[in-house]
Parts: sequence; C-alpha cells; structure tokens
Amino acid sequence: DSGVTQTPKHLITATGQRVTLRCSPRSGDLSVYWYQQSLDQGLQFLIHYYNGEERAKGNILERFSAQQFPDLHSELNLSSLELGDSALYFCASSVTPRPSGGYNEQFFGPGTRLTVL
Amino acid sequence: GQQLNQSPQSMFIQEGEDVSMNCTSSSIFNTWLWYKQDPGEGPVLLIALYKAGELTSNGRLTAQFGITRKDSFLNISASIPSDVGIYFCAGLPYTGTASKLTFGTGTRLQVTL
Repeated sequence: DSGVTQTPKHLITATGQRVTLRCSPRSGDLSVYWYQQSLDQGLQFLIHYYNGEERAKGNILERFSAQQFPDLHSELNLSSLELGDSALYFCASSVTPRPSGGYNEQFFGPGTRLTVL
Repeated sequence: GQQLNQSPQSMFIQEGEDVSMNCTSSSIFNTWLWYKQDPGEGPVLLIALYKAGELTSNGRLTAQFGITRKDSFLNISASIPSDVGIYFCAGLPYTGTASKLTFGTGTRLQVTL
C-alpha cells in the first residue's frame, strides 16, 4: 500500500460525458501528479500540482483539467469523453520538489480504470 | 508523447533463470528509474540511478545507468514466481522540471515453475 488513494476504482461511462477522478496523496506530500496509462500510449505524464498550484503540464488534452485543493487532495476532470480516453488513470504523490530539480520518489496510487462506451 | 524504447517487450522464463532488459532513448537523461507494476496496482519504484556509469543493486535486482546517459539496464538474478509483472524504465530529462518523467514501453515478465 503506497498510501495514495484513488476513487473510484472503476468507472464506466458513455461518449460525450464528463467524469471526475479523485486522488488523496500520502500524508505530508505536497505534490500530486496525474498519469494516463493506455495500451497504445503506455504511461504518459499529464500534469503536476504542488501545494495547490500547477507546476508542470505534459500531454494533457484541453478537454481534461485538474486541480489541487487546500486539503491537498486532487481531482482530474475529463469532459466530452471519447472512446480513446479509455485508460487507467494514476495519481502519484511526492514530497516537496527539490530546488535543484532532482528526483523525489513518486508513490503511485492503485489507479482508476475508465471505460468509455 | 515521447516514450523510451524498452526491450524485450515480453519474456517467458523459468524460475531460477536470470533476466536482462534494457531501455534506450534518443535524448539524454540525468536520472534513470526502474519500476515494477503488478496487475491492478500502480508502479512501484525498484531502483533509482543518478550518475552515468552507476551500478546499483536492490536484492536480486541490479540496474546500471549507461555511460552515454541514453540507456539503462536492469538485471534480475535467480527469478522467482513473484517477479511476474511489468517492468518499466523511466527517465528524467537532463534539463527542465523534475516533474516530467518519461516512461518506457514496458517489459512483461512471466516466470514458469
């Protein structure tokens, strides 16, 4: 158990719909990262939040957005869903980013499996 | 998005055998990481490498940071059934934010008795 929790575990929805995925980081971790894992694209970094502020963006579609709340939990919102959005969505958390930019271990949650029909 | 090339894609080996897999990139990384993902779970960090040429072990696992900074290798000795899973390499670019991990395509390992 990494200490990172994600809900729901599974989500089935239809094209065009909007869903919200939720992540609670490990106690004390200020950074939250979102990743998408699909069969054809592998594990792709989407976005990083630190203490409520966006720090870095990866391959995140405009239809997707995220936020981190004062209690440090994060939500990933996916809208106008398409079949190709079906994937596993992982959240990870880590401690405060190093000023030098070095790596702090990211602890991954169990993921949310999204199926778009 | 960018992905690291990982090989082999999958391996079937017998218990007790040694396993080798590698990861290559067209660009330089200043940190290489190896993760394992079990079914239904998120990736778990196995080994982190921070310096070109570095060789680091974690039990039966040994990983190396390539001299060119463009590749990394993972070896598993005397494999056991619980080694089954998907192994991912990941890299942090030489410049830029530490957020943007790039992952490899994964090596699926299956161990037979």
